[in-house]
Amino acid sequence: RKEVEQDPGPFNVPEGATVAFNCTYSNSASQSFFWYRQDCRKEPKLLMSVYSSGNEDGRFTAQLNRASQYISLLIRDSKLSDSATYLCVVGYGGSQGNLIFGKGTKLSVKP
Amino acid sequence: DTAVSQTPKYLVTQMGNDKSIKCEQNLGHDTMYWYKQDSKKFLKIMFSYNNKELIINETVPNRFSPKSPDKAHLNLHINSLELGDSAVYFCASSQSDREGTFGSGTRLTVV
Repeated sequence: RKEVEQDPGPFNVPEGATVAFNCTYSNSASQSFFWYRQDCRKEPKLLMSVYSSGNEDGRFTAQLNRASQYISLLIRDSKLSDSATYLCVVGYGGSQGNLIFGKGTKLSVKP
Repeated sequence: DTAVSQTPKYLVTQMGNDKSIKCEQNLGHDTMYWYKQDSKKFLKIMFSYNNKELIINETVPNRFSPKSPDKAHLNLHINSLELGDSAVYFCASSQSDREGTFGSGTRLTVV
């Protein structure tokens, strides 16, 4: 069974803090990796793709470790507006691909 | 111009009724999905269709039947609705296992 596991949290952090989320996946044939963000009562939206070499987008850094089968997301200088649920997503199957979501990690940034 | 649109946005119905939720995407994607998000906020895949063919059919009651008339549409029909079916249902699409785009969700309440 293809599984994507995340710590559900919640992570309660003060503004300005650095917070990291990890995610593990079970299928070594996974080919694509993403972080999504979901705000309360809204649909999930793509935050960033995760590349083998790691990638950064402003305060957000994503890393992929294929050998250990985990993905990480680092958020620096947390803002109140970062409060949301962060979903780890793994893509399988190439041209007949599909996306499997983790259960999400809830982040709450406090003033 | 909405990329993934699903209707209706809200659906309140009585136990035992049959209802359908429609989904359409104009992104030219070859894969479409139905996800269920329950009261615990976990996003769980129900079905995945690639080029109109069923790829994933997770353990859902056979009261749920997806229908894909073409690559741009994936509808969900639910027979004999039960209280436990109350949830938010999200449609999504992707190009193979690349990042997915979600519809805004259908909030189903069974009374």
